Amino acid sequence: AQSVAQPEDQVNVAEGNPLTVKCTYSVSGNPYLFWYVQYPNRGLQFLLKYITGDNLVKGSYGFEAEFNKSQTSFHLKKPSALVSDSALYFCAVRGFGGKLIFGQGTELSVKP
Amino acid sequence: EAGVAQSPRYKIIEKRQSVAFWCNPISGHATLYWYQQILGQGPKLLIQFQNNGVVDDSQLPKDRFSAERLKGVDSTLKIQPAKLEDSAVYLCASSSRTDRVTQETQYFGPGTRLLVL
Repeated sequence: AQSVAQPEDQVNVAEGNPLTVKCTYSVSGNPYLFWYVQYPNRGLQFLLKYITGDNLVKGSYGFEAEFNKSQTSFHLKKPSALVSDSALYFCAVRGFGGKLIFGQGTELSVKP
Repeated sequence: EAGVAQSPRYKIIEKRQSVAFWCNPISGHATLYWYQQILGQGPKLLIQFQNNGVVDDSQLPKDRFSAERLKGVDSTLKIQPAKLEDSAVYLCASSSRTDRVTQETQYFGPGTRLLVL
């Protein structure tokens, strides 16, 4: 069965520093991977996805993610964090029929 | 392009009452999803529609939950009767192309926050 794991409940970063939010996956076959962000009292906003091709995927708001097949990981990264990046981040993998299977989420806190 | 619309945004009911949520997907999107997000967890699929047909409702508690998408556009999710554990955010999402639905991006609405007392 497909699944994703986000090993960190919370990540704390100082503004201007690089950030990484970790995600590992377990799938049979080729993985289709996604990152979403959720601000308080808001729905999920799409950041980026990996379907095929380059292992480094660029997305919205300066975020990027690196697909690593050997480590079954899809970590979200940003070179320089902003306070406004503080939010809840979800990694997801495509499941049967196109549904998304989400991790439990990682709360990112960026302090000035 | 308008996003996914949901209403109401918030709902408070007592256990054993009924409640209904409405979703209007992005125009032209054939696939519609309802997810349940319990506090502290990631969203979990309840039901998936392709046009007005059900693709996956394996995780829908059918003794109390029902959903429909009669004309292949808007959808309604109903809970009757509600239990305390139904307190959650109910998210609606839609995606476009039916031939490559597994690769298409799902766009989410703002959600309906339900509190069952």
